[in-house]
Amino acid sequence: EIVLTQSPGTLSLSPGERATLSCWASQTVTRSYLAWYQQKPGQAPRLLIFGASSRATGIPDRFSGSGSGTDFTLTISRLEPEDFAVYYCQQYGSSPITFGQGTRLEIK
Amino acid sequence: QVQLVESGGGVVQPGRSLRLSCAASEFTFSSYAMQWLRQAPGKGLEWVAVISYDGSNQYYADSVKGRFTISRDNSRNTLYLQMNSLRVEDTAVYYCARGRVSYSGSSAYQYWGQGTLVTVSS
Repeated sequence: EIVLTQSPGTLSLSPGERATLSCWASQTVTRSYLAWYQQKPGQAPRLLIFGASSRATGIPDRFSGSGSGTDFTLTISRLEPEDFAVYYCQQYGSSPITFGQGTRLEIK
Repeated sequence: QVQLVESGGGVVQPGRSLRLSCAASEFTFSSYAMQWLRQAPGKGLEWVAVISYDGSNQYYADSVKGRFTISRDNSRNTLYLQMNSLRVEDTAVYYCARGRVSYSGSSAYQYWGQGTLVTVSS
């Protein structure tokens, strides 16, 4: 099983700042099948990034993903008030599919 | 607009059974693998099970293997999760989800239902 570790656990920033979230895999993620999701309280997760760096439909270009192998990053270039939420990485290239524990992005 | 609507959640005693349903609409259900995932209160996301587009293949997380069964009825555009021998640790919001890519079991989850809460408690 591929274990995904996200860092930091909590990130405190202000609107307008840049956010950098990390996701490390215990083994190489097959074909960079790495996704990022945003989840707000009481809502289902929302797909942001798939294939490590491709934005999902309707996702603003302030969200970008990068990385390969075992190291991946989600960057939010300029935080908007609606971006404060929990973010999860997920690998879907190997069974079982696994998620990171999440990074909480909170308003400073 | 793709829609996934879960139902069937509720409060159940340990050891009992429950069946969840996920009604799909506005896409060709029979062309997509489907998944169940769950999220315990205040915790992260956990993948539970996947079923291929035609129902011929199913895979499960070790935590539910032998107790849960995923199935689908393509004529009714509905996904199911039969949960037997429920445990307190199965308490969670259960989501059904569809991948981005048709016919593929290896696809990020573009569409999610709103979730249904299952509480296992005596």
